[in-house]
Amino acid sequence: DADVTQTPRNRITKTGKRIMLECSQTKGHDRMYWYRQDPGLGLRLIYYSFDVKDINKGEISDGYSVSRQAQAKFSLSLESAIPNQTALYFCATSDLRISYNEQFFGPGTRLTVL
Amino acid sequence: EDKVVQSPLSLVVHEGDTVTLNCSYEVTNFRSLLWYKQEKKAPTFLFMLTSSGIEKKSGRLSSILDKKELFSILNITATQTGDSAVYLCAVEPSSGTYKYIFGTGTRLKVLA
Repeated sequence: DADVTQTPRNRITKTGKRIMLECSQTKGHDRMYWYRQDPGLGLRLIYYSFDVKDINKGEISDGYSVSRQAQAKFSLSLESAIPNQTALYFCATSDLRISYNEQFFGPGTRLTVL
Repeated sequence: EDKVVQSPLSLVVHEGDTVTLNCSYEVTNFRSLLWYKQEKKAPTFLFMLTSSGIEKKSGRLSSILDKKELFSILNITATQTGDSAVYLCAVEPSSGTYKYIFGTGTRLKVLA
């Protein structure tokens, strides 16, 4: 079983709809991240969380919100989706106990907003 | 503004060639630089570098960091078609934040 899972894997929606992307991990890591990846722009950090109840904005948080419901779960919401939020979304985890700061990525969610 | 720039953007080589991928950065209070390989899925970790001049190696891949000139290189020797991927460089700009700034990546294609 994958250590970091994301649901759904693919989603097509319409402008104005509310969308939630889910991320779960079985690695026991305390830190979780949401990124989006766009062609030519690389991975950009949306939000990150270092523990339950800890939420921090990344570089492109506008139009998004997150919830860290438990250590193992970190969800990303688009309250009112717009076409320029069409992208590949990755969840990642890391752990303070791992000395080399490796991030473990989920398989990605491809979101298309029409 | 913190930034990470990778070059070249894309590269096509033949099997057996050696390639060098570049990552330059401008960040405050540099902590670490990471390299990832991304095939048609999630990025997978290759190396983490924190000290200048110390080469990290894993098989045919190696990487080194120059903190004075603010860059890192990733070398792949005797390339194989399985090395075809996007190679991402990420920098942690400040100590203790565990936030990462990613470059746009270098797309490598290795032809048989």
